[in-house]
Amino acid sequence: DAKTTQPPSMDCAEGRAANLPCNHSTISGNEYVYWYRQIHSQGPQYIIHGLKNNETNEMASLIITEDRKSSTLILPHATLRDTAVYYCLVRVQGGSEKLVFGKGTKLTVNP
Amino acid sequence: GAGVSQSPSNKVTEKGKDVELRCDPISGHTALYWYRQSLGQGLEFLIYFQGNSAPDKSGLPSDRFSAERTGGSVSTLTIQRTQQEDSAVYLCASSFDGSGVETQYFGPGTRLLVL
Repeated sequence: DAKTTQPPSMDCAEGRAANLPCNHSTISGNEYVYWYRQIHSQGPQYIIHGLKNNETNEMASLIITEDRKSSTLILPHATLRDTAVYYCLVRVQGGSEKLVFGKGTKLTVNP
Repeated sequence: GAGVSQSPSNKVTEKGKDVELRCDPISGHTALYWYRQSLGQGLEFLIYFQGNSAPDKSGLPSDRFSAERTGGSVSTLTIQRTQQEDSAVYLCASSFDGSGVETQYFGPGTRLLVL
């Protein structure tokens, strides 16, 4: 089972910031939070990850609460091409480090 | 190319036939993963390779599914006696080192349809 919960869908206006929440209340101390997205008919695309500190890259920013029980992915200026399913996950401990995906949030960016 | 590649991109087969799906990971990546995604569903882990060995096969749904990896590079996922419920997108991912917190990069997937 996925260790994260996300809203099933969200809408955002083009050019505005998209803030996607994720709850991971049972996260372990050394588990990272990862975000991927999947645009229709494509493989998942890595976005960003973090452990404790907030992170920013060319795609997005990741804000992790101090207690690490939740996080928010921020797309600062959403475009129509950002319409996708966004997955928040934590790394599963164990030998394989396999990714466990939940159902994600379907983000629709509207013109 | 620099990314993970998979072939074929689409495969239509008849129930009962065997299929082979191929994954070429990013050069230098020692860890390779297979997942599948059924229509409207999330990703389901199948198997993980570290080099040529598969320490985690826990996700293979039945003994009709097998996978191998040779030379620490290319991997083949084989489905024998395909069933209609095997229809899905099969995704391959690779990472530099599966023992750490390394980012997994995905290929475009193979869309399998079993008639």
